[in-house]
Amino acid sequence: SYVLTQPPSMSVAPGETATITCGGINIGSKSVHWYQQKPGQAPVLVVYDDTARPSGIPERFSGSNSGNTATLAISRVKAGDEADYYCQVWDSRSVHLHVLFGGGTKLTVL
Amino acid sequence: EVQLVESGGGLVQPGGSLRLSCAASGFTFSTYSMSWVRQAPGKGLEWVANIKQDENEKYYLDSVKGRFTISRDNAKNSLYLLMNTLRADDTAVYFCARESPDMATIFFDYWGQGTLVTVSS
Repeated sequence: SYVLTQPPSMSVAPGETATITCGGINIGSKSVHWYQQKPGQAPVLVVYDDTARPSGIPERFSGSNSGNTATLAISRVKAGDEADYYCQVWDSRSVHLHVLFGGGTKLTVL
Repeated sequence: EVQLVESGGGLVQPGGSLRLSCAASGFTFSTYSMSWVRQAPGKGLEWVANIKQDENEKYYLDSVKGRFTISRDNAKNSLYLLMNTLRADDTAVYFCARESPDMATIFFDYWGQGTLVTVSS
């Protein structure tokens, strides 16, 4: 079955850019979506269809997807961006509906 | 304002049953596919089940097939998850999530706050 691989954790200083990766075989051929989850809260959609942002999500959040890696970039990182981030795809190859999440990346703001 | 409010979680013994509910408001519920997504304590997100708008298609995670049943009542703007033969590894917070109407892919644009299911003797 299809697997999405994320680094378990990363840290970044305030004001810097955080780049969170999501690896998968030929993931560039799929639409990738990203969620932010803060402790004790529900996930929030921050990027969909590789690069689009829902209304209300700051322009500091951007996405890209090519080859075997999708990326969520958070520029000018703030303390409030500290959270877990998950990538997600729909694996449409199977007759079964497969919605897959990456293992998540815990972003720490130093 | 879109709202999804889950209820029905609790402590249940292994082999027991539980029925989760999700009350939807702020949008035309009958026109959206819906899903349940769970998160075990300290772990990541895991999709559990999906139901199309008119209930004619339902899909499940392999590990819950035959034990869980997803359903909906469009007249009551409600989503349900009947969980039978519960196991310890079903312990998780269960989120109700609205699927975006994008026909080319599936993602979740609104989530409830979740309800905790604990399977333990």
